[in-house]
Amino acid sequence: SQKIEQNSEALNIQEGKTATLTCNYTNYSPAYLQWYRQDPGRGPVFLLLIRENEKEKRKERLKVTFDTTLKQSLFHITASQPADSATYLCALDSGYQKVTFGIGTKLQVIP
Amino acid sequence: KAGVTQTPRYLIKTRGQQVTLSCSPISGHRSVSWYQQTPGQGLQFLFEYFSETQRNKGNFPGRFSGRQFSNSRSEMNVSTLELGDSALYLCASSSTSGTLETQYFGPGTRLLVL
Repeated sequence: SQKIEQNSEALNIQEGKTATLTCNYTNYSPAYLQWYRQDPGRGPVFLLLIRENEKEKRKERLKVTFDTTLKQSLFHITASQPADSATYLCALDSGYQKVTFGIGTKLQVIP
Repeated sequence: KAGVTQTPRYLIKTRGQQVTLSCSPISGHRSVSWYQQTPGQGLQFLFEYFSETQRNKGNFPGRFSGRQFSNSRSEMNVSTLELGDSALYLCASSSTSGTLETQYFGPGTRLLVL
């Protein structure tokens, strides 16, 4: 069956360190993958999109990698800050013009 | 530009009732998608409307329906509510249809079914 897996446990990290979040998928062949941030009581906010032919994408302190062989995307936040604390969702093109979301990973950056 | 707005923000209903949720997309956006978010299942796609036509539908029962008006505003209706329908309902707008388009989400409507 098709699955998107994100670290379901919360990730706690010390301020200033690099946070790495994982998104694994099975039985999909996405043309691209997206990452969103969601704060409590709010809708998700788009962060980055990476296409299948791109290995890495950066935006300020954010970096996303996409390995179609491993069927995995990694999302990095460098020099993490308490304001980065949120839930991060990955989403992929699941075919038939649909987007499928992972359940999200809650990141807590400790001062 | 004003963001996506959803009304109401909170709603309490009882089993068997029906509910209508509203979404106003960003001005100029013609595509509206609806999602259900629960802690156990995450974000699940309900349907997408583009230029008043349903373009896509997720795996939800027929009790869930929607429509889009000529001004791109959209409504979602759930009939015969069940306890399991308690969730955060999010709508997202994008300028055109297509999965590569960035989706802009509203704050959601939190529905509690008692």
